[in-house]
Amino acid sequence: EVQLVESGGGLVQPGGSLRLSCAASGFNFGTYWMSWVRQAPGKGLEWVANIEEDGSEKYYVDSVKGRFTISRDNAKNSVYLQMNSLRVEDTAVYYCARDTGWSEYWGQGTLVTVSS
Amino acid sequence: DIQMTQSPSSLAASVGDRVTMTCRASQGIGSHLAWYQQKPGKLPKVLIYSASTLQSGVPSRFSGSGSGTDFTLTISSLQPEDVATYYCQKYNSAPRTFGQGTKVEIK
Repeated sequence: EVQLVESGGGLVQPGGSLRLSCAASGFNFGTYWMSWVRQAPGKGLEWVANIEEDGSEKYYVDSVKGRFTISRDNAKNSVYLQMNSLRVEDTAVYYCARDTGWSEYWGQGTLVTVSS
Repeated sequence: DIQMTQSPSSLAASVGDRVTMTCRASQGIGSHLAWYQQKPGKLPKVLIYSASTLQSGVPSRFSGSGSGTDFTLTISSLQPEDVATYYCQKYNSAPRTFGQGTKVEIK
């Protein structure tokens, strides 16, 4: 059974940093792209970033370029999202998802709240 | 970047009605489009990928069509359990942009 479990969310002040983690199980992690998708309270889905199987290719939505970094550790079956210079508008539930172009499998999400 | 625009933003229909919603890409994306259903408080669930391929386990009343820039999701006979927000997503290249969603309610 495919499982994705996010952690690392919380309350942070504007300008602060957080590192999200996503632990994967139930599939051959190192053979799949992985994505982060976020959803602000009461709003729609926003794709944030994705990373190739071996971590050599990474892509970001314009609004997070230069502030967020996606990475992975295939030995630990984990993908990460380092978020720096956080803004109020980054407040959202952050989901990791297995990326086959579309995403069939999603984690339960971790809430990031950016507020003073 | 390619923008994805869904219409309408919301709709209300009666049980048993045929419901259609559209997704338009600002540039051609071939058939690299997926449709998701998200019920309140739940995770997104993929319904359709490659514009028209039904995900395993999804009821056959859901269907997708289109290619290039114009895509359609159709529910042939709306059921109460179909109340949800529906999103399209392009995946021909990064960013894998979602549309803003179409909220479906029962009249």
